[in-house]
Formats: sequence, structure tokens, C-alpha cells
Amino acid sequence: SYELTQPLSVSVALGQTARITCGGNNIGSKNVHWYQQKPGQAPVLVIYRDSNRPSGIPERFSGSNSGNTATLTISRAQAGDEADYYCQVWDSSDVVFGGGTKLTVL
Amino acid sequence: EVQLVESGGGLVQPGGSLRLSCAASGFTFSSYDMHWVRQATGKGLEWVSAIGTAGDTYYPGSVKGRFTISRENAKNSLYLQMNSLRAGDTAVYYCARGYGIRGNNWFDPWGQGTLVTVSS
Repeated sequence: SYELTQPLSVSVALGQTARITCGGNNIGSKNVHWYQQKPGQAPVLVIYRDSNRPSGIPERFSGSNSGNTATLTISRAQAGDEADYYCQVWDSSDVVFGGGTKLTVL
Repeated sequence: EVQLVESGGGLVQPGGSLRLSCAASGFTFSSYDMHWVRQATGKGLEWVSAIGTAGDTYYPGSVKGRFTISRENAKNSLYLQMNSLRAGDTAVYYCARGYGIRGNNWFDPWGQGTLVTVSS
């Protein structure tokens, strides 16, 4: 079965740029979607189809996908960006989530 | 406003059954694929099932044969019938709308979740 690998945690200084990776075999050939989940809340879509932002998501959130790695980039990180982030793809008829990355804003 | 509200969670004994419901509003329910995703406490997200607009269903191996997803478009409702429950099924269960083309859905929005606890 297809696996997605995310770092357990990423730290970023306030106002700096955070990059969260999602690794998978030839993931660049798939569409990757990203979700943000704050404690006690449901996940929220932040990026779909590799690099598209839903309405209401700040421009500070961007995504890219190539080769074996997809990346969620959060520019000018704010305290409110602290959350767990999950990548997601489809593999055949199955939905696959990455294990999640906890983002800490220092 | 697009909204999904789950209900039906609770405490159930191992081997028991439970039926979850998800009430949808604010969009044309019949036009969208719908999904269930669960999350054990402190763990990541796990896809549980999907149903297409034509009623076609999809499951991962972990729940296939035990869980049944269904929909009732006239009531804007999604269901998950869970049988032969195990301790490992303990989780918050979210319903989510599938957006985009079949086989490449992203999930937006999600409901607030309902907690299922399987324990004796």
C-alpha cells in the first residue's frame, strides 16, 4: 500500500518560513491535499491539488509537489498557525493520509 | 453556510454495533461524494469509507466487511453502520464532503466529529 511520510514536528520562529514535507514514491504524479488541525477542532483544508488555496486561506500558505516530495510552505508564520498538518493523496481507490506534522511557532 | 453535523457516537461493547449519522446543509448533497474519516486520540487521520453520488461505495481493508456507508439524499443525510466493533475502532469519526473529481477528492468541509468508544 502507498505510504506518505511526514516529519513528526517542525519548528519555526515567529515571522519566518516553515516548510512541511510529505514524502511518497513518485508523489509528484499525484495530487496532494493539505489539512490544518488545531487542538480539539476538525481538520480544515488549506491546500488542494498541490498548490491551490481555498477561499479564506491566507496567501501565506502555499504548496508544491515534485518527484518524491510535496511541500507545504507557510510564510511569515504566526502563532495562530500552530497546529497539526496532514497531507493526503489517493492511491487507486484508497485515500491515504500522512502521519501528520506538529508545527510549533517559537 | 455549508455545514455537516455528526451524531450517534457513544460507548459500545466489543462485538457490538453502532450507526452514525451526518446531517448536511447548505449545499446540494446529492451532487457530492461523501466520506467518513476517523482519528484515534492523539493519532493521525484514517479514511474509513466513501460513497459516490451513484451510491457506489469504497472501504479500506481495515473496515471492509464490518462497516457500511450509505446515504439518503432526500434527507440530506449520510450514515455509517459499524458492526463487529473492536477496541481499535475507538476514535472520533468525522464526515466530510468530497470535492473534486472522483478518485481525487479533497475533503471540504468536515463535520465537528462524534466520538465512538469501544470498551467493555
